[in-house]
Amino acid sequence: GESVGLHLPTLSVQEGDNSIINCAYSNSASDYFIWYKQESGKGPQFIIDIRSNMDKRQGQRVTVLLNKTVKHLSLQIAATQPGDSAVYFCAETRYNNDMRFGAGTRLTVKP
Amino acid sequence: DAEITQSPRHKITETGRQVTLACHQTWNHNNMFWYRQDLGHGLRLIHYSYGVQDTNKGEVSDGYSVSRSNTEDLPLTLESAASSQTSVYFCASSEGETGYEQYFGPGTRLTVT
Repeated sequence: GESVGLHLPTLSVQEGDNSIINCAYSNSASDYFIWYKQESGKGPQFIIDIRSNMDKRQGQRVTVLLNKTVKHLSLQIAATQPGDSAVYFCAETRYNNDMRFGAGTRLTVKP
Repeated sequence: DAEITQSPRHKITETGRQVTLACHQTWNHNNMFWYRQDLGHGLRLIHYSYGVQDTNKGEVSDGYSVSRSNTEDLPLTLESAASSQTSVYFCASSEGETGYEQYFGPGTRLTVT
């Protein structure tokens, strides 16, 4: 069935290294993809988004890449910091705001 | 500053009881959403609203209801709480038709015994 999922449930990186979090989606009709960050005990927080007609979008220390050919989405975090430790969710929207989330990847940054 | 709040933050209730979780936003957003978060499932959409008097079912709406009488509030009611509804519930809001960025509340942890 249609789904949004993540390749790896956990990711551990050294402080200062770059992090790459991956996400697969199955519905080519999705028109918007979003990455959220969730810290322990808090609600998800918007990081960055990308429209389906784009391949790449950059923010502050983050880059989202969209490969529509293989239905793959990734979040790259440059110079990962301890404050980046959290669970990261990808999400897709198909009908305006009806958003479907993946299961999440836990990122741990080692000092 | 504008914000979105949820209450209570923690709730323990018994099977069969009716429970209402409150969500209040001061962003003046048209769109409001309720999600539940369970380990291994991420966030799943329960109900959503695009404006006053508008409500729509999400992916996992059975056993839940919402009503939207004003812009600021979207209470979520569990008609007859079941143990399977033990979860963390998040409310979110976003702007109009192009408001893909959702702002989330801090969550309500509900335990049904």
